[in-house]
Amino acid sequence: QSALTQPASVSGSAGQSITISCTGTSSDVGGFNYVSWYQQHPGKAPKLMIYDVSKRPSGVSNRFSGSKSGNTASLTISGLQAEDEADYYCSSYTSSSTWVFGGGTKLTVL
Amino acid sequence: QVQLQESGPGLVKPSQTLSLTCTVSGGSISSGSYYWSWIRQPAGKGLEWIGRIYTSGTTNYSPSLKSRVTISVDTSKNQFSLKLNSVTAADTAVYYCAFGLTTLHYWGQGTLVTVSS
Repeated sequence: QSALTQPASVSGSAGQSITISCTGTSSDVGGFNYVSWYQQHPGKAPKLMIYDVSKRPSGVSNRFSGSKSGNTASLTISGLQAEDEADYYCSSYTSSSTWVFGGGTKLTVL
Repeated sequence: QVQLQESGPGLVKPSQTLSLTCTVSGGSISSGSYYWSWIRQPAGKGLEWIGRIYTSGTTNYSPSLKSRVTISVDTSKNQFSLKLNSVTAADTAVYYCAFGLTTLHYWGQGTLVTVSS
């Protein structure tokens, strides 16, 4: 299985919105509604931000939203804040009953 | 709230077996229907899913690691474990345990394992 494809980096100014894409295949992203997004600050464990494509865990800001179209999932962060600067990873369930991660995207808040 | 804590040797020699344990607190590993997973992250690199074990004992492994990995659960100790054999320097990473059903909902803080002689 190949890693899901994410842009290496994205940036946006405080208050703006950004979108991070996550492209897979029909055997993972396109085939299941089990896409998740994780936020990771340096030296910290990943934190779940979105699961099942668009669901937010309790306590996660509604500035974070997820969607999917075909084999590509997306994470949108609106009203960018300084604390949103982190690495973001997508993951998907696969037809082999495994999980696969994206390569990660570094978000810079200008 | 359920919490996870990884433990095990921080240094493993090449060709030997890496063994880690994840202790679950705040809940029973045998209650509910969840997947208990291991994930790793080499320094400066992305996350790699290693494998998982279901509450029933069913396991699934990453195809790239399947030949070297075993994940097991000890309900009496409320723990699940990872064994990775024939390690090389490429297995040096922070190893995380996590659990959830359709996602990796809760994560441990991670433990660094270095493979070196």
